[in-house]
Parts: sequence; C-alpha cells; structure tokens
Amino acid sequence: AQSVAQPEDQVNVAEGNPLTVKCTYSVSGNPYLFWYVQYPNRGLQFLLKYITGDNLVKGSYGFEAEFNKSQTSFHLKKPSALVSDSALYFCAVRRGSSNTGKLIFGQGTTLQVKP
Amino acid sequence: DTGVSQDPRHKITKRGQNVTFRCDPISEHNRLYWYRQTLGQGPEFLTYFQNEAQLEKSRLLSDRFSAERPKGSFSTLEIQRTEQGDSAMYLCASSLARDTLSSYNEQFFGPGTRLTVL
Repeated sequence: AQSVAQPEDQVNVAEGNPLTVKCTYSVSGNPYLFWYVQYPNRGLQFLLKYITGDNLVKGSYGFEAEFNKSQTSFHLKKPSALVSDSALYFCAVRRGSSNTGKLIFGQGTTLQVKP
Repeated sequence: DTGVSQDPRHKITKRGQNVTFRCDPISEHNRLYWYRQTLGQGPEFLTYFQNEAQLEKSRLLSDRFSAERPKGSFSTLEIQRTEQGDSAMYLCASSLARDTLSSYNEQFFGPGTRLTVL
C-alpha cells in the first residue's frame, strides 16, 4: 500500500533561517512526488513535483525539494524563510504505474516562521 | 482561466438530509478528482473522472455517496442521508492528461466545500 509520512506536526523557524519540512514515502514502483501548501480558507496550491531526472527539484516561491531514493524521502527546503511562508504543507505521492493519477497525502506539517 | 471553483463554500445540514456539491474544473482539464479532508489530516482520495467516465472510487465512498460528471465538464458530489461523520472539507481538483508525459501534470485544487452535519 502507498503511504506518506510527515513526521513533524509543526516546524518552527526564525525568519531568514533555512527551513526543512520532512517527508518519507512508501510506494511500489517508481514514485511521483508532490508538495502542496494550504493557507487558511484556501485550497491547496502546488509547489513542486519530482517525476524523473535531477534529484533536486526547484519550485514556486523559492522552495526546493530533494528526492532521495535510498532513504525514500522528499524533504522540502528553502534557504531563507519568510513570515509569509507560514502555512500548512502537504507531501503527496502517486504510484508511477497508476493510470488515475490519484494522490496519497501525508497528514501535513504546519510551518511557523517567526519574525 | 479562473481556476477550479466549488459551490457552495460552506454547507450546514441536519443529520439525515441530502446535500449536493458542485465543482467546475479548469476548462480544458479532462481529469477531475474529489478528495475529503478532515481536521488535522491530509486529503483522502474519493473518486476520479476521466472526461465523463468515473474510473475509480475509493472504499471511503459508501453507497450514500454518488458523483457525476455529465458531458465531462462540471461535477457534482451528492451525499444522501448525511451522518455526523460526513462533516469534512470536500475538495475538488482537476488536471490535464492528453498523453503519457502530461499524465504526470499536477492537480489544481479548488477552495473546497466545508460540510457540517448537525
């Protein structure tokens, strides 16, 4: 069965410091991995995805993520956090052989960036 | 392109009543998904349409739930005889998949419909 784990319910970081939001996954076959962000009272917004190729993926708003196949991880990173980055972040995986493209989401990590 | 829209944004109903939600995907998107999100959890897949065909349903989708996508455009999700456990945010997403490469396109989510069953 496919699954995604986000081991931290909340991550606190000071503005200007680097941030990391962790994600590990379990899926049969090749994984296709996604990060989404959710602001209060708004839908999920796509940040970035890994399908194939370079393990370091760059996305929106200065975020990037590194795919590590041996550790089955896809951690989200940003070199310098902004207060406006404070939101709920979801990692999601899709089985590569899936015809439907349905996503399996982690439980989410709240990022709190303090001034 | 105004993105994925959902209506209503909020719905409060009494246990046992029927409710229907609507989703309008991005116009050229042929794939449409429904997910359910409860407090403190990530979205859970409910069902998927490719054009007008409903191709997959989650075991979460009991007999009280039905979804349609007539003409492959907007979609409706109906819950009959609502129960308090149905209270959740119902999210709709769409994506474009015309070939193998674009089948990996990301899904675009609507703002959701928050259902409260009293």
